Amino acid sequence: TQLLEQSPQFLSIQEGENLTVYCNSSSVFSSLQWYRQEPGEGPVLLVTVVTGGEVKKLKRLTFQFGDARKDSSLHITAAQPGDTGLYLCAGFAGSSNTGKLIFGQGTTLQVKP
Amino acid sequence: GAVVSQHPSRVICKSGTSVKIECRSLDFQATTMFWYRQFPKQSLMLMATSNEGSKATYEQGVEKDKFLINHASLTLSTLTVTSAHPEDSSFYICSARTGPESNQPQHFGDGTRLSIL
Repeated sequence: TQLLEQSPQFLSIQEGENLTVYCNSSSVFSSLQWYRQEPGEGPVLLVTVVTGGEVKKLKRLTFQFGDARKDSSLHITAAQPGDTGLYLCAGFAGSSNTGKLIFGQGTTLQVKP
Repeated sequence: GAVVSQHPSRVICKSGTSVKIECRSLDFQATTMFWYRQFPKQSLMLMATSNEGSKATYEQGVEKDKFLINHASLTLSTLTVTSAHPEDSSFYICSARTGPESNQPQHFGDGTRLSIL
């Protein structure tokens, strides 16, 4: 079974601070996605990384896929209260037409004003 | 706008009731839909993969007779929680994939909060 270990699971910081969330596995994933979920809603896709070593930026969010495609990180610069939410990494496991998303445990982020 | 609609958004019912949750893809055909369960402050746990016109594939530990899945059309999958009990209370989320390849985008519904009294 392919597992994704996400850390930290809870993070409470002050507005303006930087943070990094990690997503690690012993397995190789063909691609990895990051989602943000607010209470009572479904996850919303932030980014998909496909190539080992790939770095993608989305405003103050920087996503990196490890060279071996086993790990990924999400870095937020100058966090704002609006960044509060549950962040989930998810990797594709399985063959091309039967694959499914495997989710990490999630990181609950609270940004205090 | 939302591309996957889930209904109802919230259900409160008595123990022993069967509850049906609908998941619709609004502007695309979804050959594959997924059903997840999520407990408070936890991640999404895949329950089953629903393929149009065929039986659903259930994950290990998920009772197929308890959680009935029907994917009768390319835009609709339903999850029925049969004879629900308080331990079935959870947040159920569906997603629909835009194509047959596993790396094609998955769009998530807004979830159904199920509370069994």
